[in-house]
Amino acid sequence: EVQLVESGGDLVKPGGSLRLSCAASGFSVNDAWMNWVRQIPGVGLEWVGLIKSKGNGGTIDYGAPVKGRFIISRDDSKNMLYLQMNSLKTEDTAVYYCTTELSGALDMWGQGTMVTVSS
Amino acid sequence: QSALTQPPSASGSPGQSVTISCTGTSSDVGGYNYVSWYQQHPGKGPKLIISEVSKRPSGVPERFSACKSGNTASLTVSGLQSDDEADYFCSSYAGNNIYVFGTGTKVTVL
Repeated sequence: EVQLVESGGDLVKPGGSLRLSCAASGFSVNDAWMNWVRQIPGVGLEWVGLIKSKGNGGTIDYGAPVKGRFIISRDDSKNMLYLQMNSLKTEDTAVYYCTTELSGALDMWGQGTMVTVSS
Repeated sequence: QSALTQPPSASGSPGQSVTISCTGTSSDVGGYNYVSWYQQHPGKGPKLIISEVSKRPSGVPERFSACKSGNTASLTVSGLQSDDEADYFCSSYAGNNIYVFGTGTKVTVL
């Protein structure tokens, strides 16, 4: 069964760091375009960033609100996707989802993991 | 990149149809045929129901249809059922590997 399971969400103080993990099963993250998307309470969905498949060069891109603070990576041997979040701000509070991407659409989503940034 | 504009809410009685609009610009919705729609029930992750403007993934009922004209995309849910009560989001590719989402529409089945 194809599945994504996020973990690592927590309560963290402004300025702190946190690493989210996404465990993939049923396919190889190495062969997929993977995205992180967040859902801000009361606001909506916001695209965080993507990492292309190894075959497409593994290019990584980020949304403007997180560029320079967040880092997307993957471990092919563990079939895992990661989101390293640094210099966290209160406005980063959200549910974070990892997703696969196919033809410009996010076709598979995990259940999400909650990140709360508060003093 | 600004969020795509959706009406906050829409409603219909069982069996009726409801249409949700998603308005962007020529830099996103109007510029690419990569508009997708997602359904989200409370406490769940979003589910893809439409890709590439009007394509239904396997398993999505034909009651869900979508189209695009200019800078506005639309999703129609026909033959409303109680399980269709959910939040619906649109999304569009906006160039340079960037994606933008809609503000979301809460559909209520009366």
